[in-house]
Amino acid sequence: QSVLTQPPSVSGAPGQRVTISCTGSSSNIGAGYDVHWYQQLPGTAPKLLIYGDSNTNRPSGVPDRFSGSKSGTSASLAITGLQAEDEADYYCQSYDSSLRGSVFGGGTKLTVL
Amino acid sequence: QVTLRESGPALLKPTQTLTLTCTFSGFSLSTSGMCVSWIRQPPGKALEWLALIDWDDDKYYSTSLKTRLSISKDTSKDQVVLTMTNMDPVDTATYYCARMSGAYSTGYFDYWGQGTLVTVSS
Repeated sequence: QSVLTQPPSVSGAPGQRVTISCTGSSSNIGAGYDVHWYQQLPGTAPKLLIYGDSNTNRPSGVPDRFSGSKSGTSASLAITGLQAEDEADYYCQSYDSSLRGSVFGGGTKLTVL
Repeated sequence: QVTLRESGPALLKPTQTLTLTCTFSGFSLSTSGMCVSWIRQPPGKALEWLALIDWDDDKYYSTSLKTRLSISKDTSKDQVVLTMTNMDPVDTATYYCARMSGAYSTGYFDYWGQGTLVTVSS
């Protein structure tokens, strides 16, 4: 059972907008710790997608179709203009003060219909 | 160009000790602010953070695995080593090393190795 809760799966048609939620608690997201997002394509290592709480914190090469937000004890990843190449697993990550370490969400599988 | 590569045994028997080496390039773990972590992922399951070592040789461990883990660094070789004792079949996973950027409580993993699959079976 992951400390951060994500929906197991989401789906959308090409061109649509989808969001993936990441729900934590008062010892992680709710305490104000940054939330980061990763994309994992099948058979590959995770890749950093969004870092920090700002929508504009994207590594070079990550399109601005990807954005992040945070409110209270939850965070969200939004993907606009969905493309077939976006089909992957997505993970959120933060810090937990009770566990004194990094924590990940359970992952969300995005299917592009 | 930052790269990380994991190496170690692919197969272990239950109760044995796992030793994994992360060899990296493109940065120095003696530079202030630099950190390297180990993260694992059982087949078909989620990522799990295991341990971190920073430039100042401070070490942090997953509370659930703390008694079994040890992390160390060899700055001269640009390597980080993770040992995990008393391996069990449930420890079967792909083990990744990753560089963490930012402070420990706000950091994110910006570069990852390709991962190494470790299978524990009798």
